[in-house]
Amino acid sequence: GQSLEQPSEVTAVEGAIVQINCTYQTSGFYGLSWYQQHDGGAPTFLSYNALDGLEETGRFSSFLSRSDSYGYLLLQELQMKDSASYFCAVIEGGGGNKLTFGTGTQLKVEL
Amino acid sequence: DSGVTQTPKHLITATGQRVTLRCSPRSGDLSVYWYQQSLDQGLQFLIQYYNGEERAKGNILERFSAQQFPDLHSELNLSSLELGDSALYFCASSPSGVDTQYFGPGTRLTVL
Repeated sequence: GQSLEQPSEVTAVEGAIVQINCTYQTSGFYGLSWYQQHDGGAPTFLSYNALDGLEETGRFSSFLSRSDSYGYLLLQELQMKDSASYFCAVIEGGGGNKLTFGTGTQLKVEL
Repeated sequence: DSGVTQTPKHLITATGQRVTLRCSPRSGDLSVYWYQQSLDQGLQFLIQYYNGEERAKGNILERFSAQQFPDLHSELNLSSLELGDSALYFCASSPSGVDTQYFGPGTRLTVL
């Protein structure tokens, strides 16, 4: 089966940089995605990594190391509106098309 | 707005009942995914359809079933409802693979 681990909560101040880590165990890894979800809202796609390295999209970057089964989401210049839950999700390749989500990291941005 | 629509927004029903949740994917997206999100379980993948055919199954109970119609909208049927089925049910669609999914606003199901 698959398992993903990410911290349950992270707190940071406005304007700072925060890194949310995700480690995974899977038998058929294809890629790692990140989603943001505000309270009561729908998950919103942030980024996707299939290859090792850093992907940058504005203030958000995502990193993947396949050999270490590890990835992270980096949020820069934090804003109050970034307070939300962030989920990493493993994509199982081959014949499957399943997205398995981690339990989520609640990010709280303070003044 | 992701372009994915779900109805109803809220649903309150009793144990033992049956309900149907509806999802319309973004225009042009052939894949539809269903997820259940409860407080203690997080986001759980239930099932995927691609152009009318079942493509992948996750932790979907036998009491639950889904289908995708020729116009690509999808329905998730939940029967013999139990208190533990109370959750947010999300539908998502994608233009290509599973890597980028666009989620609908969800249906909040409450079973009393």
